[in-house]
Amino acid sequence: EVQLLESGGGLVHPGGSLRLSCAASGFTFSSSAMNWVRQAPGKGLEWVSDVTAGGGNTHYADSVKGRFTISRDNSKNTLYLQMNSLGADDTAVYYCARGKRDGYNLPYFDYWGQGTLVIVSS
Amino acid sequence: EIVLTQSPATLSLSPGERATLSCRASQSVSSYLAWYQQKPGQPPRLLIRDASNRATGIPARFSGSGSGTDFTLTISSLEPEDFAVYFCQQRSSWPPTFGGGTEVEIK
Repeated sequence: EVQLLESGGGLVHPGGSLRLSCAASGFTFSSSAMNWVRQAPGKGLEWVSDVTAGGGNTHYADSVKGRFTISRDNSKNTLYLQMNSLGADDTAVYYCARGKRDGYNLPYFDYWGQGTLVIVSS
Repeated sequence: EIVLTQSPATLSLSPGERATLSCRASQSVSSYLAWYQQKPGQPPRLLIRDASNRATGIPARFSGSGSGTDFTLTISSLEPEDFAVYFCQQRSSWPPTFGGGTEVEIK
């Protein structure tokens, strides 16, 4: 059974930093592209970032580029999101999701974690 | 970036009725469109990938159609567990984007 378990969310002050983790199991993590997708309270879904299976290529939404860094440790089956210079607009549930490409450049998301809530507030 | 517009925002139907949800793209996404279902307090669940291919374990009452800029998700006969919010997502060009969602509510 595929499992994605996010952790690291919480309350942070504006301008602060937070590091999210996503522990994966039930599939070959090292062969899978991984993504972060967020959802502000009561709002829709926003793709945040993508990393290829080997970790060599990454993509970011313009809204987080230069502030967030996605990375992975395939020896630990874990995905990370380092978030710096956080603002109120970053308040959201952050989901870890496996990205399936099926031979194309971009992913759809076939497995999702339960999410971790990040609140940016003073 | 490609903007996806979903309509209607809310669909009020009764169990057993047919639901037809629309997703329109601001430019062609070919067939690179997925549909997701989300219930309160839960993560999204993949229903349809690449416009018309049901994901593993998804019941046959869910079907997707369309290509280019206009797509439809059809639920042939609503079951009680189908009342939820539905999102479309394109993977034609970076960044991947989602529609704003359609809520299917019990009439």
